[in-house]
Amino acid sequence: DSGVTQTPKHLITATGQRVTLRCSPRSGDLSVYWYQQSLDQGLQFLIQYYNGEERAKGNILERFSAQQFPDLHSELNLSSLELGDSALYFCASSFREGLVHEQFFGPGTRLTVL
Amino acid sequence: AQKITQTQPGMFVQEKEAVTLDCTYDTSDPSYGLFWYKQPSSGEMIFLIYQGSYDQQNATEGRYSLNFQKARKSANLVISASQLGDSAMYFCAMREGQGDYKLSFGAGTTVTVRA
Repeated sequence: DSGVTQTPKHLITATGQRVTLRCSPRSGDLSVYWYQQSLDQGLQFLIQYYNGEERAKGNILERFSAQQFPDLHSELNLSSLELGDSALYFCASSFREGLVHEQFFGPGTRLTVL
Repeated sequence: AQKITQTQPGMFVQEKEAVTLDCTYDTSDPSYGLFWYKQPSSGEMIFLIYQGSYDQQNATEGRYSLNFQKARKSANLVISASQLGDSAMYFCAMREGQGDYKLSFGAGTTVTVRA
């Protein structure tokens, strides 16, 4: 158990819908990262937050947005869903930057868009 | 351009034998870190080992060791004494620079351990 929690574990929805994925980082970790794993694109970095502020952005679609709250949990919002958004979405967290290198991953949320 | 290249899509290894998973990387940043993660069929991503670009010695963690050849830009993972539970997908990843800590992942290598 990495200490990172993600809910829900599975999500099935229809095209055009909007969903919210939730992540709670390990206790004490200030940074949260979101990654998408799909068969055609592999594992891709989406976005990073550090202590509530956006720190880095990767291949995140405009239909997707995220935020990190004062209690450090994070949410990834996916809207106007398309079939191609079906993927495994991971949240990862890390300790104070520069001190610990590992990113600890949550169990992932498997999103299926029908 | 691909930052991380894993050229072996799949490998078979006999139980108790060692296996080497190849990883080459591309960066012009002098400060970077290299990671290996294991993804079993259940889907979670398990951190295995880390190597910093300035580390003088190769990283080791139990049965995992990282063969870091900086001039060749390679960071191969060696799993010694393979066990059936080692059957999984293995990903090599890289963090560049000091500004953010996002990881770039390779395509992965599937390892199947045979009894």
